[in-house]
Amino acid sequence: EVQLVQSGAEVKKPGESLRISCKGSGYSFTSYWISWVRQMPGKGLEWMGRIDPSDSYTNYSPSFQGHVTISVDKSISTAYLQWSSLKASDIAMYYCARHRAYSSSSGGDYWGQGTLVTVSS
Amino acid sequence: QSVLTQPPSVSGAPGQRVTISCTGSSSNIGAGYELHWYQHLPGTAPKLLIYGNNNRPSGIPDRFSASKSGTSASLAITGLQAEDEADYYCQSYDSNLSGWVFGGGTKLTVL
Repeated sequence: EVQLVQSGAEVKKPGESLRISCKGSGYSFTSYWISWVRQMPGKGLEWMGRIDPSDSYTNYSPSFQGHVTISVDKSISTAYLQWSSLKASDIAMYYCARHRAYSSSSGGDYWGQGTLVTVSS
Repeated sequence: QSVLTQPPSVSGAPGQRVTISCTGSSSNIGAGYELHWYQHLPGTAPKLLIYGNNNRPSGIPDRFSASKSGTSASLAITGLQAEDEADYYCQSYDSNLSGWVFGGGTKLTVL
């Protein structure tokens, strides 16, 4: 069974760093791209960026370029989303999603359960 | 402001048919990129309903169907059931963004 399991909810202070994870299982992790998607409270889904786990090639939405880093450790089938300095505006639910096919235009067929990030002083 | 435009809400009575529209532009839907639809209950994982314009993953009932023409697409749900009450999102690829773009989401209320 294909699964993407994300790390648990986080509560951080402004300025702190954070890395959340997304562990894939039940499939060949390096054969499918992973995207990260943000949902701010009461808002819709926003694509942040994606990574090819086979070679760690990434591309980011201009809205998120420079604010987050997407990485992967293929030895443990895990993708990461990282912030070096959190802001209150980063409060959101974050989802990872597996691209259904090996292309940018394919949809996400499996999604993680989401990681809620709260930033508060 | 979402790149793809959806109505904020639609509603229908049990058993009825509803449609949700999704309008894009020449850099996404109009460029021929695939259109996908998701069902989402906030706080849970979004579920892929339709991929590649009009294909259903296994396990998705045929009450859900979709079409695409030009720069627009639509999702149709027939035989509405209470369990269909959720948020629905369209998604495509945009050549200007070089990544996924979503609609703003449509909240479906089953009356």
